[in-house]
Formats: sequence, structure tokens, C-alpha cells
Amino acid sequence: AQKITQTQPGMFVQEKEAVTLDCTYDTSDPSYGLFWYKQPSSGEMIFLIYQGSYDQQNATEGRYSLNFQKARKSANLVISASQLGDSAMYFCAIPRGSNYKLTFGKGTLLTVNP
Amino acid sequence: GAVVSQHPSRVICKSGTSVKIECRSLDFQATTMFWYRQFPKQSLMLMATSNEGSKATYEQGVEKDKFLINHASLTLSTLTVTSAHPEDSSFYICSAGGGQETQYFGPGTRLLVL
Repeated sequence: AQKITQTQPGMFVQEKEAVTLDCTYDTSDPSYGLFWYKQPSSGEMIFLIYQGSYDQQNATEGRYSLNFQKARKSANLVISASQLGDSAMYFCAIPRGSNYKLTFGKGTLLTVNP
Repeated sequence: GAVVSQHPSRVICKSGTSVKIECRSLDFQATTMFWYRQFPKQSLMLMATSNEGSKATYEQGVEKDKFLINHASLTLSTLTVTSAHPEDSSFYICSAGGGQETQYFGPGTRLLVL
């Protein structure tokens, strides 16, 4: 069974600084992927970034990058140059089953201070 | 990217009544859709997998007779909360899978049962 752990209930960062949000996982699948989603107060789930377990390089999408360490089973999200609009909940998720339903971590509430 | 819509975005109902929530894939066909529930300050929890043309698959602990799912077409899945009670008040969000690397979420429905 898949398991996702996000150990940081809340994080604070100053505007324009970088922040790392932690995510560790456990899976028995030989091939898997990791998602990161952002959920602002409106509730919508915004896809940020995806990393496949066999991808050779860490995924990057604009200001978002994944620090993927397969041996440690961690997939930390790095947000560079934080903006006030980055304040939101962030969820790490892993697909399971043949139809790729997602198991989510408990989330991290990021607050960007001006 | 692909778009998934949900209707209604908010609904308030009296205890004992039934509420239907629609999830539509607007520009792609989805043989599988997922329904999640999110209580305040908690993570998303998968309720059920909606399968086009066949019965839904429910997660452990989710009452299938209370949460009726119908996936009558390749673009529409409905979740009906029957005989709703205040403890059913929650944020319900659907997603449609595009494969291992893609999950498209609807904007969610906030249900308040009085």
C-alpha cells in the first residue's frame, strides 16, 4: 500500500526567498510517480509538478522544482522566489492502482510574509 | 490543459434531503472519475472510483447506499448524497484521470447540511 508523509503542518517564508516543503513516501510499486498540488483558500486543486520514478533528472516547472531522492524515498518541493500568492496548502500525492487514484499527504500550509 | 467542471459550487440543504453533485469532463472523455471528500483543515480522502457503464468502486468505510454514484456517459459522473446529515457537510471534489502522469480536478462543491 502507498503511504505519503508530510511532516510540516505549517511553514513560513519571507517573500522572494526559497522554501522547501517535505514529502516522503512508501510504495511497493517498482514504477511510480509523485504529484504536488497547491490548494488556495478557494479549494481548487492546482497541479504544480510531477516526477516519475524513472526520470533521470529532477522535474522543474518555472519556480517549482522537485528534489527527488529515490533512495531516501523523498520528493521535496522547492519553491524559489516566493510570492504572496504562493500562500496556500500544498499536498504531495502518489497514484495507486491500475487507474492511478491518488493518495494524498496531510498537507503543508505555506504562509508567505511580505 | 483539460478542464473538469463541477456543479453546483455551493449547496445548502436541510437534513434528510438528497443532494446531487455533477462532475463533467469538458474537453476529453473519461472512463474513470474519482470522488474525494475533504473536511476542514484535512487532506483529500478518496471516496470512490466512478466507472463509466459499470458500478462504482467504493473505498473502505464509505457507505455506497448513502453516496450514490452514476457514470452514465464518458463525460459525466454524478454523486448523490442521500438523506444528508450535518456530518456530511464537507468539500466534495472530483477528478478525471488522464493517465499515470495526469489528474484533472474539478473546482469542488461545498456542501452544508443544516
